[in-house]
Amino acid sequence: QSVLTQPPSVSAASGQKVTISCSGSNSNIGNNDVSWYQHFPGTAPKLLIYKNNNRPSGIPDRFSGSKSGTSATLGITGLQTGDEADYYCGTWDIGLRSSVFGGGTKLTVL
Amino acid sequence: EVQLVESGGGLVQPGGSLRLSCAASGFTFATYNMNWVRQAPGTGLEWISFISTDSASIYFAESVKGRFSISRDNAKNSLFLQMNSLRDEDTALYYCARHSYEALDHWGQGTLVTVSS
Repeated sequence: QSVLTQPPSVSAASGQKVTISCSGSNSNIGNNDVSWYQHFPGTAPKLLIYKNNNRPSGIPDRFSGSKSGTSATLGITGLQTGDEADYYCGTWDIGLRSSVFGGGTKLTVL
Repeated sequence: EVQLVESGGGLVQPGGSLRLSCAASGFTFATYNMNWVRQAPGTGLEWISFISTDSASIYFAESVKGRFSISRDNAKNSLFLQMNSLRDEDTALYYCARHSYEALDHWGQGTLVTVSS
């Protein structure tokens, strides 16, 4: 059971928008920055968002992040079939003194 | 170009040991904190260890504490994970990842560790 809670799966039609939630506590999201990763199993995960809402160079602006209190959200607009992947949120947990990930959300583009 | 290449994975019996390596290139390795993350079959990403630039700060997930150790050789641009007392549940693809802006900004392709008798 993950410290951060994500929905196991989300789906939306091609071209539409989807959001993925990540819920934590004051021990983690409430007091630390959140990052988001895109992962095609068996390959290297890719950083999509850092420090809650910042995109690394090369990440399209279709991907966005936000944080409020003890929750964070990843938004993806203009969905493409190539976006079908697993998405993870991550942050530091003060109480555990460890980095933590959400359980991952599988995105299906219909 | 930042590159991280893991090696050292393989098949090991329960209770055995294995040492993973991560060769870094394309950046000044000594100035970045580093991490190990794993993914067991059919499960999500699990962070397992962090090491600071000077090795002064080291953290482990509870699941591996006391069995795994992390180290680095800045002169050789290398990161290591020593895994002892391996269990079936340690079977996973192990990734090294660079730490930047409180995120893991570059990852390797992973090395597979299989613990089985």
